[in-house]
Amino acid sequence: DIQMTQSPSSLSASVGDRVTITCRASQSISSYLNWYQQKPGKAPKLLIYAASSLQSGVPSRFSGSGSGTDFTLTISSLQPEDFATYYCQQNYSPPPLTFGGGTEVEIK
Amino acid sequence: EVQLVESGGGLVQPGGSLRLSCAASGFRFSNQAMAWVRQARGKGLDWVSVISDSGGSTYYADSVKGRFTISRDNSKNTLYLQMNSLRAEDTAVYYCVKDAPRRSGWYYFDYWGQGTLVTVSS
Repeated sequence: DIQMTQSPSSLSASVGDRVTITCRASQSISSYLNWYQQKPGKAPKLLIYAASSLQSGVPSRFSGSGSGTDFTLTISSLQPEDFATYYCQQNYSPPPLTFGGGTEVEIK
Repeated sequence: EVQLVESGGGLVQPGGSLRLSCAASGFRFSNQAMAWVRQARGKGLDWVSVISDSGGSTYYADSVKGRFTISRDNSKNTLYLQMNSLRAEDTAVYYCVKDAPRRSGWYYFDYWGQGTLVTVSS
């Protein structure tokens, strides 16, 4: 099974900051990597698919990059509504489908 | 507008059974794979099971294999999860999720329901 490791597990940032979250796969997954955002008490929401494609309706301050085993999610200028937990997920291999452990973005 | 509405959660004793349902609307249900993802309180996302658009292929996490059964009724636009031999560690919010349109790769999810809470406790 492919393991997904996110870092950091949490971070504190201020409005306007540039934020980067990393996701590492235990083996190469090409560009089959997706990012989700989850706000407290809400269902997750798809942000980025295929490593760098922005899901419809998602603000352009979100971007994704990477291929192989190392990926990043970047928020170019953090907004108040971006404080949430972010998860990566690989869809390279047949199930089991695996998620990263999550990165909580908190207000500094 | 895509809507996924789960129901059937609740409190059940260890060893008991529960059946979750997910009513789907706003898309051609019979053309999309569907899945269940769960989340224990304060924990991360945990994929449970996925079913192909026709229902002909199913996959399960090792933690639920042999105990849970995913199914669908395309005539009713409804997804199900039959959960038997429930354990305390199955306690979680269960989300019904829709597979995204894909040209390649395996499943990922573009729409999520609001979730239904399953609590396994005596």
